[in-house]
Amino acid sequence: GAVVSQHPSRVICKSGTSVKIECRSLDFQATTMFWYRQFPKQSLMLMATSNEGSKATYEQGVEKDKFLINHASLTLSTLTVTSAHPEDSSFYICSASGQGRGYENSPLHFGNGTRLTVT
Amino acid sequence: GQQLNQSPQSMFIQEGEDVSMNCTSSSIFNTWLWYKQDPGEGPVLLIALYKAGELTSNGRLTAQFGITRKDSFLNISASIPSDVGIYFCAGYRGSNYKLTFGKGTLLTVNP
Repeated sequence: GAVVSQHPSRVICKSGTSVKIECRSLDFQATTMFWYRQFPKQSLMLMATSNEGSKATYEQGVEKDKFLINHASLTLSTLTVTSAHPEDSSFYICSASGQGRGYENSPLHFGNGTRLTVT
Repeated sequence: GQQLNQSPQSMFIQEGEDVSMNCTSSSIFNTWLWYKQDPGEGPVLLIALYKAGELTSNGRLTAQFGITRKDSFLNISASIPSDVGIYFCAGYRGSNYKLTFGKGTLLTVNP
């Protein structure tokens, strides 16, 4: 079954508003979570790496003030798209890697994604 | 960012046929992963490969980690309509699990 839960699955917001997306690891502790963005018919592009208890590491070209990431616990990371604009409309996907006994070689599992539409 | 070279970009096959796709990289990866993504959903892990030369099966799927650590292939035998989707290869180095993705292979299976 799913080990990473992402919420909401779809969200429509007005331009200028902020949207928060949650990513939860369901049955393991995730010290690291990743946030990706995917445009139609394209591959996943890494936006940032989220480490529990520390600041996120952003990929080149990703605005950290626009895409706020918080990883406050070992099971939850949030991505907030601030002052959203239509060009921010995309499919956002998180992933998490497990740590601890039994998960040392855990490959990454992905959430089901969030379709953001900014009108 | 860097991407893996995944081919083919798309495939149209008849139900029952076998399928093969592959990924290559100019640099070494310690782990290769193969995912399937259905429309509107996140990628689902199919097979994970941890050792060079490793050959792993998952039902009708078989994947191999190239001996040079710079390539991997995925085979699907006796395809069925539900195999339709986009298949991605991904790799990472070290222990930070930061993935590099291929551009994907769109598979269409005609019943």
